[in-house]
Amino acid sequence: ETGVTQSPTHLIKTRGQQVTLRCSSQSGHNTVSWYQQALGQGPQFIFQYYREEENGRGNFPPRFSGLQFPNYSSELNVNALELDDSALYLCASSTAVGADTQYFGPGTRLTVL
Amino acid sequence: KQEVTQIPAALSVPEGENLVLNCSFTDSAIYNLQWFRQDPGKGLTSLLLIQSSQREQTSGRLNASLDKSSGRSTLYIAASQPGDSATYLCAVGGSGGSNYKLTFGKGTLLTVNP
Repeated sequence: ETGVTQSPTHLIKTRGQQVTLRCSSQSGHNTVSWYQQALGQGPQFIFQYYREEENGRGNFPPRFSGLQFPNYSSELNVNALELDDSALYLCASSTAVGADTQYFGPGTRLTVL
Repeated sequence: KQEVTQIPAALSVPEGENLVLNCSFTDSAIYNLQWFRQDPGKGLTSLLLIQSSQREQTSGRLNASLDKSSGRSTLYIAASQPGDSATYLCAVGGSGGSNYKLTFGKGTLLTVNP
């Protein structure tokens, strides 16, 4: 059974650019959540996808958007990058929509210059 | 709005010591509570999950308790080892009708000295 994987590992962008981060869910998981973790902070919930539909969203602006594909892999897209978007982006997969045990990937470190 | 607080922010102990990490939350209407471990620059590893109807969970040298009415949880680590050095995060699952998200504290940075 493979775990949750994310790509790329690290990414450097400049302010105003757009970025796409990718996540492959653990086998058999149909729910994926994305979190943003700024340095020295706990992760903050961005949104969750269940069977290709957004199931819930945290307090993030519309320039943060996502997709989930039929194989349950997922993308996080961020438009018009700002310096404060620099963070570790984590995805987590689970077998249920409810806040059951979530399995986290290693994260993508995004730096915005 | 759910808020999660972890105390202390950092802790340094000698190897072999037993220790307790604390977590408090403001909204007691939760689905569950999880403790995670995070190594520097890495993702999260789930340590223990306590459902809202449970009082505690144990795994090896780790024991987590939950007192929903008072909005508190503790993570007890017995006989600490240098390999336990990491940041420990407490996360509350589902509150205010939002059964789909985890709300995290800022974590406790634990250093176990040989």
